Formats: sequence, structure tokens, C-alpha cells
Amino acid sequence: EPEVTQTPSHQVTQMGQEVILRCVPISNHLYFYWYRQILGQKVEFLVSFYNNEISEKSEIFDDQFSVERPDGSNFTLKIRSTKLEDSAMYFCASSEAAGGWYGYTFGSGTRLTVV
Amino acid sequence: QKEVEQDPGPLSVPEGAIVSLNCTYSNSAFQYFMWYRQYSRKGPELLMYTYSSGNKEDGRFTAQVDKSSKYISLFIRDSQPSDSATYLCLGGSSNTGKLIFGQGTTLQVKP
Repeated sequence: EPEVTQTPSHQVTQMGQEVILRCVPISNHLYFYWYRQILGQKVEFLVSFYNNEISEKSEIFDDQFSVERPDGSNFTLKIRSTKLEDSAMYFCASSEAAGGWYGYTFGSGTRLTVV
Repeated sequence: QKEVEQDPGPLSVPEGAIVSLNCTYSNSAFQYFMWYRQYSRKGPELLMYTYSSGNKEDGRFTAQVDKSSKYISLFIRDSQPSDSATYLCLGGSSNTGKLIFGQGTTLQVKP
């Protein structure tokens, strides 16, 4: 069964450093998303991406965050200057259609620890 | 008011029991609803997807949506220890790709 692949599975970084989280969505999917889950809290939407541009972003997704689809297969989330409160599980997801008509497939996540 | 609310549990049942998991939501714009299962330190896995009110059955799982009362349910028949996980209910609308998650209900099925 097709999977969404995320790397690395765990990343530790120092506060103020830049991190790039990588995702390979399912190949025929056109809509891509990043969500995060702070330990003990609910999964939160960060951003949706379609046709090489951001479709929607949440208030969490401020100027420190950016997304990119650099080569037609990878989908990346960059945090420019990490803060302690950025520590969370970051999930990438993809879907065939807008609005999730067929559901979303999530990756296994990247655990980001900012120290 | 939170857009999607779930009782976080934990809910503990014996193997073979029928499990009922419930959510309420407040956003009238939601048109589709999903149930995801999440094992510890894993990504959410799609279980059921429903559009508008009604029932949907898939094997041991039945999802119900009642838009008039803004109530979403997931029933698990003949529960198994492998069903032990956190169950997330989600709502979304067709005009956005954003999903709104509930807190999740932790289920433990004891052998």
C-alpha cells in the first residue's frame, strides 16, 4: 500500500537553528499538508499546499515557517529559527483531492526536539 | 467552544466487547468526517470516512454522523487487543483542506 515517507524520524536541534523536515508524499497525490502534535495535545493544522503554492495556513504558520516542493517528489517544511515551543511531532499528509474526499494519508512523523 | 470535542478516556474494555466512541462538533460548515487510529509514536491511520449524515460500515467498524445534533460515533464490534490505540475524530469542509482534530480517545482492549 502506498505510503507517505518522512525523514528523519527524530531530530534534535539547538534553539535558534534552522531545521528542514522532509516528506515524500504518495506519487499521484496533488494536495500536501503539514500538521503538528505537541506532546499531550491534539493534532493541529499548519499548512496546505497545492499547485506549488500555499492554499491555506494556520496562525501557527508564521514567518518562521516555509514549505517547498523542490523537485516534484519531496515536500519540505523549514523552520528558520527554532524555538523551544516548536518541539512536537510533525506529520506530513497527502490526498488525491481537495477537501480530503478520499481521506488523507499521513506519514509516521518527525519528532522534533528543540533544546 | 472547541470545534471538535472528544472524551480523552482512557476507555478500557474486555476483548470481544462492543466499543462506542463519540465526538461532538460545533462547526456547521463541516461536510465530511473521518476517524483515524493512532498507535503510540506513529502517524494517524485512516479508518473511516463519511460524508454528511448517515451510517457507514466497514468490517467490524461502523461510523455514524448525525448532523442535526452535531454528533459523530464510531462503533467497534468484537474488539481485539490490537484495537488498543488512540482514536481521533476529525471534521472538514469541502472549501478547505484543513482538518480539525478532536483530542483523541485512548482505548485499551484487555485480553
